Amino acid sequence: TQLLEQSPQFLSIQEGENLTVYCNSSSVFSSLQWYRQEPGEGPVLLVTVVTGGEVKKLKRLTFQFGDARKDSSLHITAAQPGDTGLYLCAGLIQGAQKLVFGQGTRLTINP
Amino acid sequence: EAGVAQSPRYKIIEKRQSVAFWCNPISGHATLYWYQQILGQGPKLLIQFQNNGVVDDSQLPKDRFSAERLKGVDSTLKIQPAKLEDSAVYLCASSLQLVTEAFFGQGTRLTVV
Repeated sequence: TQLLEQSPQFLSIQEGENLTVYCNSSSVFSSLQWYRQEPGEGPVLLVTVVTGGEVKKLKRLTFQFGDARKDSSLHITAAQPGDTGLYLCAGLIQGAQKLVFGQGTRLTINP
Repeated sequence: EAGVAQSPRYKIIEKRQSVAFWCNPISGHATLYWYQQILGQGPKLLIQFQNNGVVDDSQLPKDRFSAERLKGVDSTLKIQPAKLEDSAVYLCASSLQLVTEAFFGQGTRLTVV
């Protein structure tokens, strides 16, 4: 059973389009992190959200943490080919303090 | 600052053989993680150390996998004997403390034939 469910698992869109990736759980997290992973490399942290309802922006990327701290979303505006990669959400389980990952969203941006 | 170092990068073994992976975390990082990432999936936590103590190893197949973190610094992950389904990338990560950002190594790609 996957503790963190990401959707969609695969997404292929054209350059310039907008997209949203979702990360959902029935568990409450102390914090939630978004990572991006390139082939042959380890995941690299993009952002950490801690407070319910928190919104963080990183250039064209907007991250939101749900009010109940059970879900999160990543929105990319005007996607570019350089955004192509595997996007992973990871949550720090409240009380257990272990970092668990979703199954990832493989994003392809076509020129 | 030096990143998380892992070796080897690649390993091919036959089933029922043994294999060991090594990880050197970022200096001063108290928390160390080992993840297994099967192709097309997200990383699955195998074991998490805080200094040289185990925080969580609930998903470590203890009949064949073992891990240790000597003196709270370097760590080794061993598989004995390996099965075909162990083919995956094994990622090591470290963080300053339990709740801070995790930094990942490049991983070791294991192929069991």
